[in-house]
Amino acid sequence: GESVGLHLPTLSVQEGDNSIINCAYSNSASDYFIWYKQESGKGPQFIIDIRSNMDKRQGQRVTVLLNKTVKHLSLQIAATQPGDSAVYFCAETRKWYGNKLVFGAGTILRVKS
Amino acid sequence: DTGVSQDPRHKITKRGQNVTFRCDPISEHNRLYWYRQTLGQGPEFLTYFQNEAQLEKSRLLSDRFSAERPKGSFSTLEIQRTEQGDSAMYLCASSLTRGGQGDGYTFGSGTRLTVV
Repeated sequence: GESVGLHLPTLSVQEGDNSIINCAYSNSASDYFIWYKQESGKGPQFIIDIRSNMDKRQGQRVTVLLNKTVKHLSLQIAATQPGDSAVYFCAETRKWYGNKLVFGAGTILRVKS
Repeated sequence: DTGVSQDPRHKITKRGQNVTFRCDPISEHNRLYWYRQTLGQGPEFLTYFQNEAQLEKSRLLSDRFSAERPKGSFSTLEIQRTEQGDSAMYLCASSLTRGGQGDGYTFGSGTRLTVV
């Protein structure tokens, strides 16, 4: 399939290293944030979410950090694997469940074996 | 498979023709969303339904676009008199309105529209 993110910033990491993907969000009223992974030809796949009353949330191999002061999100992936190669988007919304999402620009993650 | 299903996966149409896409959400989800994604961009919100009611439409949804969810289950998105600028991936998502699992906002694989 075709690549989704031809003009997006790219992060290249070695297999086994940790990855950090950053995102600046736009609306200070947003109170719920989600990271999605999108592989070529597929829809966005949920990775992890965080509510605005939290600064950090951990999942399996992934951690999301939220800095509301500077409206910044980051996604940390531990021990990056070739299967992690994809485009990563952050999304924000108001009302922490069931509302429309506003997506950031996306980052391409390439994992080198 | 109990995820969000979209049909067709790919559609090629001539400019000026009408096209219709279908989305089947996760059965217990009462909210259904349509997004559009162009190459190199994140998805952009088009419209959403709660049950059969269309609650919000983006200004991106011109008069040539119409969406329905007649029985509160599947939804259709129709584009009339297609233009080359309509070429994009059309994504459907569904969710619950009540609080619950964070991964309840689920996307389908999309319909790739190419207008020639």
